Amino acid sequence: QKEVEQNSGPLSVPEGAIASLNCTYSDRGSQSFFWYRQYSGKSPELIMFIYSNGDKEDGRFTAQLNKASQYVSLLIRDSQPSDSATYLCAVRGGSGTYKYIFGTGTRLKVLA
Amino acid sequence: DARVTQTPRHKVTEMGQEVTMRCQPILGHNTVFWYRQTMMQGLELLAYFRNRAPLDDSGMPKDRFSAEMPDATLATLKIQPSEPRDSAVYFCASGLLVDTEAFFGQGTRLTVV
Repeated sequence: QKEVEQNSGPLSVPEGAIASLNCTYSDRGSQSFFWYRQYSGKSPELIMFIYSNGDKEDGRFTAQLNKASQYVSLLIRDSQPSDSATYLCAVRGGSGTYKYIFGTGTRLKVLA
Repeated sequence: DARVTQTPRHKVTEMGQEVTMRCQPILGHNTVFWYRQTMMQGLELLAYFRNRAPLDDSGMPKDRFSAEMPDATLATLKIQPSEPRDSAVYFCASGLLVDTEAFFGQGTRLTVV
């Protein structure tokens, strides 16, 4: 079992719709959770991070964390064609580690 | 303009040759990560350093890979000898605090033929 799992996609949504991206992790002691976006041929860039259970909103993006279910998600409201990219979930483990483990990413396609 | 700088951006080499990739972290950042990205495996953590000390290199094939930080402004990743299966994009990332983002460099695309 991989430490961080994501559906590879592609996930296709029409422009203006809500895109929902999901991630599960295996280390119950994980402390911090990050969503990165990566355009083809480019490096990953941070969208947002979340540490506590519940929702965290930033503009069109909402991260949701459920530590009991070991589940983190990213919602993108009013999806735009420019949101088409691969979305990477990253998890920092517990026990004082600085290690960030990434999922393999979900490819999102927003159809105009 | 604070950013992580990686060199070279592209490298084509023959199997068996030594490859050295360099990374200049953002000034003041004290954590440096090396990742390898392939289509099949995604982003794999190879090694990371905190205050120049190697904390974990369990993701690296020890017989051929080595990572060092000779000073605070330079991290290196060496492969010797290189093999075709090492072909990938290698990213360096740096960060300051534990729970803040890691900033990625533009990557080194390595092709071993």
